[in-house]
Amino acid sequence: NAGVTQTPKFQVLKTGQSMTLQCAQDMNHEYMSWYRQDPGMGLRLIHYSVGAGITDQGEVPNGYNVSRSTTEDFPLRLLSAAPSQTSVYFCASSYSPDSRWETQYFGPGTRLLVL
Amino acid sequence: AQSVTQLGSHVSVSEGALVLLRCNYSSSVPPYLFWYVQYPNQGLQLLLKYTTGATLVKGINGFEAEFKKSETSFHLTKPSAHMSDAAEYFCAVRGEYGNKLVFGAGTILRVKS
Repeated sequence: NAGVTQTPKFQVLKTGQSMTLQCAQDMNHEYMSWYRQDPGMGLRLIHYSVGAGITDQGEVPNGYNVSRSTTEDFPLRLLSAAPSQTSVYFCASSYSPDSRWETQYFGPGTRLLVL
Repeated sequence: AQSVTQLGSHVSVSEGALVLLRCNYSSSVPPYLFWYVQYPNQGLQLLLKYTTGATLVKGINGFEAEFKKSETSFHLTKPSAHMSDAAEYFCAVRGEYGNKLVFGAGTILRVKS
C-alpha cells in the first residue's frame, strides 16, 4: 500500500492563479479530508468527504473547492489563489465515515507559497 | 463544541530527561483523544489514541498518555528523551459527530545534547 499520497510536494503560485492539489489513497477508505497547517494554529479542516459524490465544508472552506468522483481521489482546488492561502496542506483518510475512534492517516503534505 | 489547548508552543529538554507535553480538551460528548507527531518536512503520524477503557495509553517510541476526565487532560510523557524525539506534537479530539478532528496549536519539542 502506498497509503495517502499528495502531489505536488511544493508549489509557487501568483495571486489570482488557480491550481489543483491532488490526493489519493489506496486503502479503500470512505472518509477523506483536507487540512491546512499554519504556524501556531495547528491543523484546520477545510473540506471533507464521507464517500464518493458526497462532500461538505469544514472550518475554513472559503476559497477552496472539492469533489469526490471516486473513492480513491479527493482533489482540492484553489479557484483564485491569495497570499493568505500560503500554507502547508495535508490530506487525510480513514475507513469509516462515522467512526469517532478510527485513526486518520495523513499524507506527506503540499507546501504552497502564493506571491 | 470541541477544542484543544496545548500549553507551551515550545518545550526544551535535555537528552535523557523526562518529556511532558500538556494537552487539555473541551468536549460536549465523551472524548476520543489523539496524539500525533510531525517530524520535519513530513506528514503526521499517530503516536497513540484514547477511545474507551484503560486511561493510561501506551504508544509508539516509548510515549504514553493518561486520560484524566476530572482534569480534562491528556498529557503526553516519555521517561527519557532521545535526540530523535525532536519534532512537533499535536493533540487532537474527535468532533462531536463523525470523523472530524479538532487539533491543538502544536508543541515543538527540542532535545538538547
